[in-house]
Amino acid sequence: KQEVTQIPAALSVPEGENLVLNCSFTDSAIYNLQWFRQDPGKGLTSLLLIQSSQREQTSGRLNASLDKSSGRSTLYIAASQPGDSATYLCAVPTGANNLFFGTGTRLTVIP
Amino acid sequence: NAGVTQTPKFRVLKTGQSMTLLCAQDMNHEYMYWYRQDPGMGLRLIHYSVGEGTTAKGEVPDGYNVSRLKKQNFLLGLESAAPSQTSVYFCASSYSGANWGEQFFGPGTRLTVL
Repeated sequence: KQEVTQIPAALSVPEGENLVLNCSFTDSAIYNLQWFRQDPGKGLTSLLLIQSSQREQTSGRLNASLDKSSGRSTLYIAASQPGDSATYLCAVPTGANNLFFGTGTRLTVIP
Repeated sequence: NAGVTQTPKFRVLKTGQSMTLLCAQDMNHEYMYWYRQDPGMGLRLIHYSVGEGTTAKGEVPDGYNVSRLKKQNFLLGLESAAPSQTSVYFCASSYSGANWGEQFFGPGTRLTVL
């Protein structure tokens, strides 16, 4: 059964720092990996989707990488801002129609 | 475009009561999903639909039923609510299945069963 782990569970950084969030998965036979952001009491916002054929995907200050062979993905956030404070979730498909989620990393960016 | 919307936003039920959660999407997506989110457990798939008139079980389907009578709507029903169903429920939709398509989520429904 697929397991998705996100470490650390919580992270606090000062504004302006570059940071890396980690996601690991046990079954490397995935088609893609998706990163989401969740603000407190809100739904999930899709940030990036990386297909298995890609190594990286970029959107603004965000860069996600995928290494299927090692079962790892990272989300790099450049020049962090207080507005980046949220919980970040990664998810991988298991079967054709099920997304399996990690429990997330809660990020706090301190002004 | 409103994207994915959910009603209601909050609900409190007593054990044994029934209710229906409504999800609507205006992106013409074929696939729709219902998840529940519990502390420390991440999101888990309850049921999903690959098109109008179809439904299928996900990881935690017991105690729930669903219907997809119209392409844009996906309903989640609780026939006899139990305290274990206290959770935040999220609906999502995608153009294609999870192996290929990006999923878009609604704002959630917070349900408390007393």
